[in-house]
Amino acid sequence: DIQMTQFPSSLSASVGDRVNITCRASQTISMSLNWYQQKPGRAPNLLIYVASTLQSGVPSRFSGSASGTDFTLTITSLQPEDSATYYCQQSYNTPYTFGQGTKLEIK
Amino acid sequence: QVQLVQSGAEVKKPGAAVKISCEASGYSFSSYYIHWVRQGTGEGLEWMGVIDPSGGSTTYAQGFEGRVTMSRDTSTSTVYMELTSLTSDDAAVYYCVREVGVRSNWFDPWGLGTLVTVSS
Repeated sequence: DIQMTQFPSSLSASVGDRVNITCRASQTISMSLNWYQQKPGRAPNLLIYVASTLQSGVPSRFSGSASGTDFTLTITSLQPEDSATYYCQQSYNTPYTFGQGTKLEIK
Repeated sequence: QVQLVQSGAEVKKPGAAVKISCEASGYSFSSYYIHWVRQGTGEGLEWMGVIDPSGGSTTYAQGFEGRVTMSRDTSTSTVYMELTSLTSDDAAVYYCVREVGVRSNWFDPWGLGTLVTVSS
């Protein structure tokens, strides 16, 4: 199985800040990496697919990038509503494994 | 719009089985795979398996082989996930989700989730 190592596991930032969340795959996954946002009590919601394509309706302050087996979710100009847990997921091979999640707190 | 509507919360005793439904609407049911993902309280997301609604073929995560069965009813555009021999470790929210994409795939949308409680 492909292991997805996501870090940091949590972070705290202020409104207007820029944050990066990274996911490292245990083997090559091409660009088959997706990012989801989950708020408490809600189902996950697709943010970015194929590493860097923004899902329709998602604010442009969210972006994704890739470098080899490292994938980064960047959120610029943080807003209070960005407080959530973020998960990466590889869809290169089944089982479609997820990262452990990053809990983002807005100060 | 595309929707996945899941059945309601369940309370089961250890050793019992649970069967959750996921009714799809707003798109061609047979054209998109449906996956099941679960999430324990305060935990991360765990992929359980996938079903092709067209032919009914399935792939299950190794940890669930022998305990999980995914099925579908094309007449009602509904997918089912049955998990047997429940233990307290199976207490979780279970999500169905549609797989989208061609060469690379992603999950959208997700069902709202079904809470399964396992308690004697």
